[in-house]
Amino acid sequence: DGGITQSPKYLFRKEGQNVTLSCEQNLNHDAMYWYRQDPGQGLRLIYYSQIVNDFQKGDIAEGYSVSREKKESFPLTVTSAQKNPTAFYLCASKPTGGFSGYTFGSGTRLTVV
Amino acid sequence: KQEVTQIPAALSVPEGENLVLNCSFTDSAIYNLQWFRQDPGKGLTSLLLIQSSQREQTSGRLNASLDKSSGRSTLYIAASQPGDSATYLCAVDKVREGQKLVFGQGTRLTINP
Repeated sequence: DGGITQSPKYLFRKEGQNVTLSCEQNLNHDAMYWYRQDPGQGLRLIYYSQIVNDFQKGDIAEGYSVSREKKESFPLTVTSAQKNPTAFYLCASKPTGGFSGYTFGSGTRLTVV
Repeated sequence: KQEVTQIPAALSVPEGENLVLNCSFTDSAIYNLQWFRQDPGKGLTSLLLIQSSQREQTSGRLNASLDKSSGRSTLYIAASQPGDSATYLCAVDKVREGQKLVFGQGTRLTINP
């Protein structure tokens, strides 16, 4: 079955470390997105990519970086510049075109230790 | 700037009741409105997608309506069951300033046996 795979499910980061969250999709979707979810704040957009080798900042991009070298993959790196990285991270994808819905992965919970 | 509001923030009802969740948005320039379900610690499951030209969509015991001119959507759940307990998220796929999904903060629903 087609879908989005996020790994790992749980991730622990030490102070000053960079960590990378994986997002892979086999839906043949062109656009991919990263969201952050904090209790009481809803989902906020970090980065998105509508085509390979191109991506744009979302509302809270500071302290994060992404790459889009393959259509299927959109990894998110949480850098040491992100001062409060503990959160639930969700990856999504959608086909090109305005009227299609979004598909989400199962999420990665990142905790600073 | 598109803003999405969901009321109520939490709802607890006995099993078997019909219930309505509300969603409002400030900018009517949208492609779609999508309702999601989220179980604790899990990703988002798409329930219903309403395109901007549509008025409602139905899936089983769920019915979602869209009034784009007034910036409102409702999710109607018939004959509620304990398994319906989850957080329900409303999101609009906005047109202006780049196509992006903007979320409300969700309604946490508890169905009591």
